[in-house]
Amino acid sequence: DGGITQSPKYLFRKEGQNVTLSCEQNLNHDAMYWYRQDPGQGLRLIYYSQIVNDFQKGDIAEGYSVSREKKESFPLTVTSAQKNPTAFYLCASSIAWSDYEKLFFGSGTQLSVL
Amino acid sequence: AQTVTQSQPEMSVQEAETVTLSCTYDTSESDYYLFWYKQPPSRQMILVIRQEAYKQQNATENRFSVNFQKAAKSFSLKISDSQLGDAAMYFCAYRRGYGGSQGNLIFGKGTKLSVKP
Repeated sequence: DGGITQSPKYLFRKEGQNVTLSCEQNLNHDAMYWYRQDPGQGLRLIYYSQIVNDFQKGDIAEGYSVSREKKESFPLTVTSAQKNPTAFYLCASSIAWSDYEKLFFGSGTQLSVL
Repeated sequence: AQTVTQSQPEMSVQEAETVTLSCTYDTSESDYYLFWYKQPPSRQMILVIRQEAYKQQNATENRFSVNFQKAAKSFSLKISDSQLGDAAMYFCAYRRGYGGSQGNLIFGKGTKLSVKP
């Protein structure tokens, strides 16, 4: 079955540590996105990529980094510069440049600070 | 900057009844899209319904329909014949039309819907 796989489901970070969240899709989608969700809040866009080897900052990119070396993979690194990393992280994908195509979401990763 | 406001943090409905969730937005653009997403306890986001701003006709998807009032910048979701499986967080979202990436959504803070048996 086609879909988006996020791993791990739960992740713990120590102070000063970088951690990487995985996002893999087998939908052959061009575009991929990372969102952050805090309790009682909607989703906020961190980074997005419309094509391999290219990505843009979203609304809250500070303290995060991404790469897009393969079409199916879009990992997110939460760096030590992100002072409040505890949140639920959602990855999504879509066919780029198509107004009528919907976003597909993964099941998310809950990141907590030890 | 565009904003999306959901003024009802929580709502409750009796099974088989109808409930309406409110959403207002602020934008100076004329071309945009509006969405309602559902987030059940599994926390996976599911698209419920989508409305293109240039369409006057309100979108419908089975038991879900919207009341899109462009001049008032209002976009409410009506759920008819509510079912226990409708219990979830519901998020209203906005996206620019021309030049807007599909994933560049601006979300409201959500409305938690409870369904009573």
